[in-house]
Amino acid sequence: DIQLTQSPSFLSASVGDRVTITCRASQGISSYLAWYQQKPGKAPKLLIYAASTLQSGVPSRFSGSGSGTEFTLTISSLQPEDFATYYCQQLNSYPLPFGQGTKLEIK
Amino acid sequence: QLQLQESGPGLVKPSETLSLTCTVSGGSISSSSYYWGWIRQPPGKGLEWIGSIYYSGSTYYNPSLKSRVTISVDTSKNQFSLKLSSVTAADTAVYYCARLRITMIVVAWGQGTMVTVSS
Repeated sequence: DIQLTQSPSFLSASVGDRVTITCRASQGISSYLAWYQQKPGKAPKLLIYAASTLQSGVPSRFSGSGSGTEFTLTISSLQPEDFATYYCQQLNSYPLPFGQGTKLEIK
Repeated sequence: QLQLQESGPGLVKPSETLSLTCTVSGGSISSSSYYWGWIRQPPGKGLEWIGSIYYSGSTYYNPSLKSRVTISVDTSKNQFSLKLSSVTAADTAVYYCARLRITMIVVAWGQGTMVTVSS
């Protein structure tokens, strides 16, 4: 099975900062990667799919890049509502695992 | 607007079967454009893919759960269901139902329902 490793697991940042979260796959998955945002007590929300395609309605400060085994999610200028946990998910092959998550906290 | 709503017992005894239903409103479960799935999240932990189903009944299950999982669909009621047998405390989690694109991207989620396995 393909494993996903996100880094860092925890990230402390301030409003206005640019932050980057990395997701590494144990083997190549082309661009079959999605990113989700989850706030406490809520269901996750799709942000990006196909590694770099922004889901409709998601602010343009979110962007994704990468292919193969290394992917990044970048938030260009953190807003208060962006403090949440972020998960990547590979969609190349079953069982479609998620990364372990990156919790983004306010500094 | 599409809505998914999970329903079922919030408490299940060890060794028994967990049964949940997802009711879909604002869209047809018979759409050829989507799959339907279940994902769970133990308290304080990450997300785990359980399995998915197409309206025709074609299913995929996570191999780690495959021997205990059954997902079914009832197009007449616009519902799909999850059964997980022989549960243990490790199955305690928030269970989400979801709508998936053909590529398996999760594009809509239910609000989630907490299921606790305890005697």
